[in-house]
Amino acid sequence: DAGVTQSPTHLIKTRGQQVTLRCSPKSGHDTVSWYQQALGQGPQFIFQYYEEEERQRGNFPDRFSGHQFPNYSSELNVNALLLGDSALYLCASSLATGQAGNTIYFGEGSWLTVV
Amino acid sequence: KQEVTQIPAALSVPEGENLVLNCSFTDSAIYNLQWFRQDPGKGLTSLLLIQSSQREQTSGRLNASLDKSSGRSTLYIAASQPGDSATYLCAVIGGQAGTALIFGKGTTLSVSS
Repeated sequence: DAGVTQSPTHLIKTRGQQVTLRCSPKSGHDTVSWYQQALGQGPQFIFQYYEEEERQRGNFPDRFSGHQFPNYSSELNVNALLLGDSALYLCASSLATGQAGNTIYFGEGSWLTVV
Repeated sequence: KQEVTQIPAALSVPEGENLVLNCSFTDSAIYNLQWFRQDPGKGLTSLLLIQSSQREQTSGRLNASLDKSSGRSTLYIAASQPGDSATYLCAVIGGQAGTALIFGKGTTLSVSS
């Protein structure tokens, strides 16, 4: 049973560019969330997708956008990259939200460096 | 606004010691608390999930407790090993934060042989 998979694992972008990160959830999971983790910090919630719609959003600017496909996989897009966007981007998957007892699983993350 | 605090920020112990990591949260209206492990440069591995109706969960040498009314959780690691060296993160879900996991900054554990 494949866990949460993310791609690419590492990438370097220039300020002002755009980036797309991809995530495939754990088999059987229908909910995908994205988190940003800066060095030495806990992950910060970006947004969550369920049934191809953004269900909840954290305190991130509109430069951060996402999409969920019918097969539940998801993309995170960041436009007009800033140096401060350099971080580990983590994808998390779970069964339908709002249910106690549903363990949330994370992928290995995508390391983004903006230069 | 939900805030999660983890104490201590770092901990160094010799192999074989039992240890306790602490986590506190400000909004007690959570429905799950989850402990994760993160190795350097890696993703998060789920260790234990405690539902709000539960008091504790155990997995091998790990035991996590939850006191929802006081907004506290502890992760107990028995007979620590060098392979336990990692950052341990506590996260809560529910209440004001809705369906988002709210994390602490973690406790970095170093176990020496």
